[in-house]
Amino acid sequence: EAGVAQSPRYKIIEKRQSVAFWCNPISGHATLYWYQQILGQGPKLLIQFQNNGVVDDSQLPKDRFSAERLKGVDSTLKIQPAKLEDSAVYLCASSLDQLAGGQIRGEQFFGPGTRLTVL
Amino acid sequence: AQSVSQHNHHVILSEAASLELGCNYSYGGTVNLFWYVQYPGQHLQLLLKYFSGDPLVKGIKGFEAEFIKSKFSFNLRKPSVQWSDTAEYFCASSMNTGFQKLVFGTGTRLLVSP
Repeated sequence: EAGVAQSPRYKIIEKRQSVAFWCNPISGHATLYWYQQILGQGPKLLIQFQNNGVVDDSQLPKDRFSAERLKGVDSTLKIQPAKLEDSAVYLCASSLDQLAGGQIRGEQFFGPGTRLTVL
Repeated sequence: AQSVSQHNHHVILSEAASLELGCNYSYGGTVNLFWYVQYPGQHLQLLLKYFSGDPLVKGIKGFEAEFIKSKFSFNLRKPSVQWSDTAEYFCASSMNTGFQKLVFGTGTRLLVSP
C-alpha cells in the first residue's frame, strides 16, 4: 500500500514570498490533516478535512495560510506571504475513519513532510 | 484545553538498558493516548495507542505503555533497548469525542549507544 505522498520535500524562500505544498493521502482515506512542526516542538494541527469539508481549522493563521482539498483527495497548503517564523516541517497525514465507541477513530499515517526555510 | 508534557527532552542509554519515557496529559475528560516514533530519516509512525480497557498497552517492537488515570500519565517503557531504537518519541492525546484531533508533546530524543 502506498503511503502519504508530499511534495516538495524541501523549499527555501525569502520572506514575503508565497509557497505551496501538496499532499496525496492514502487511497480511500477520508480524513486529511496538515500539521506544522517547528524545530524542537511536536507537530501542531493546522487544519483537518473530512472528505472535502473542513472539520477544524482553529489553529490555522488564516491571514496568511490557506488550504483546500478539492474532490476530497489531494490537498494543497499555501502560505502567502511567508514570514521567518513559518520555517518548519509541514506534515500531511491521513486516516481511514472508523466509527467506534461513539467517536471517529482511525490511525493517522504521516507523510515525509516538507521542510520549509524562510530567509 | 488539551496539553501534553514530555519532561525528558534527551535520553542517552546503553544497549540492553531499560527505558521509561514520561508523558503527562492535561484534560479533564476522557482521552485517547498515543505514542509515535520517528526514526532518523523516516516518517512519524504509530507505536501504540490507548482508547479504553486494559490500561497496559502493548505496541510494536517490544514497547508498552501504562495509562494511569490518577496521575494523568501514559509512560512508555521497554525492558531492553537496542541501538535501532534510536529515534525521537512523541506522546499525543486526543479527546474521546468526535473527530480525532491530536495534541503532541515536544518529543524525547533517545540515543542508544552500542
